[in-house]
Amino acid sequence: KAGVTQTPRYLIKTRGQQVTLSCSPISGHRSVSWYQQTPGQGLQFLFEYFSETQRNKGNFPGRFSGRQFSNSRSEMNVSTLELGDSALYLCASSRGQGSGGYTFGSGTRLTVV
Amino acid sequence: GENVEQHPSTLSVQEGDSAVIKCTYSDSASNYFPWYKQELGKGPQLIIDIRSNVGEKKDQRIAVTLNKTAKHFSLHITETQPEDSAVYFCAAPAVYNTDKLIFGTGTRLQVFP
Repeated sequence: KAGVTQTPRYLIKTRGQQVTLSCSPISGHRSVSWYQQTPGQGLQFLFEYFSETQRNKGNFPGRFSGRQFSNSRSEMNVSTLELGDSALYLCASSRGQGSGGYTFGSGTRLTVV
Repeated sequence: GENVEQHPSTLSVQEGDSAVIKCTYSDSASNYFPWYKQELGKGPQLIIDIRSNVGEKKDQRIAVTLNKTAKHFSLHITETQPEDSAVYFCAAPAVYNTDKLIFGTGTRLQVFP
């Protein structure tokens, strides 16, 4: 059974640019959540998608957006990158509806210079 | 909303000793409490979870206990081994019946041979 796949693994971008990260969930999982992980702030929730709809949203500026496709794959986009956006971005998939069993991908390490 | 506090932030033990990590949560309606282990360069991996209708759950050398009255839950690792060295996160649901999790700030466990 394939796990959660995140691409790319590493990215280096310049301030002001935008970036798109991709997440392919485990087959059968309809919920995809995104988290930002930094040494100082830990795991911060960005948003959750379930059946192509954003169901929950964290406290991040509008520069952070996401979407989910009909096959449950998800993308997140960060526009007008700032130095403080440098972080490990993790996605997690699950069946949804409070079933637990979040499975994380290995993350995308974004560095903004 | 849910708030999860985790202690200690770092924990050093000798190989073979036990390690205990504690978390408290704020929302009495929370019903699912997972623990994740994150090794360097990897995403968090679910190691054990407990639901609110159970007071304790064991899986080989790891166990989780839940005290609903006091709103705290703990991870116990017995007979620690160097490969247990990692960062451990507790979590609790942020919103009922969805898979949005709020994570503790993490505990860095070091097991010395």
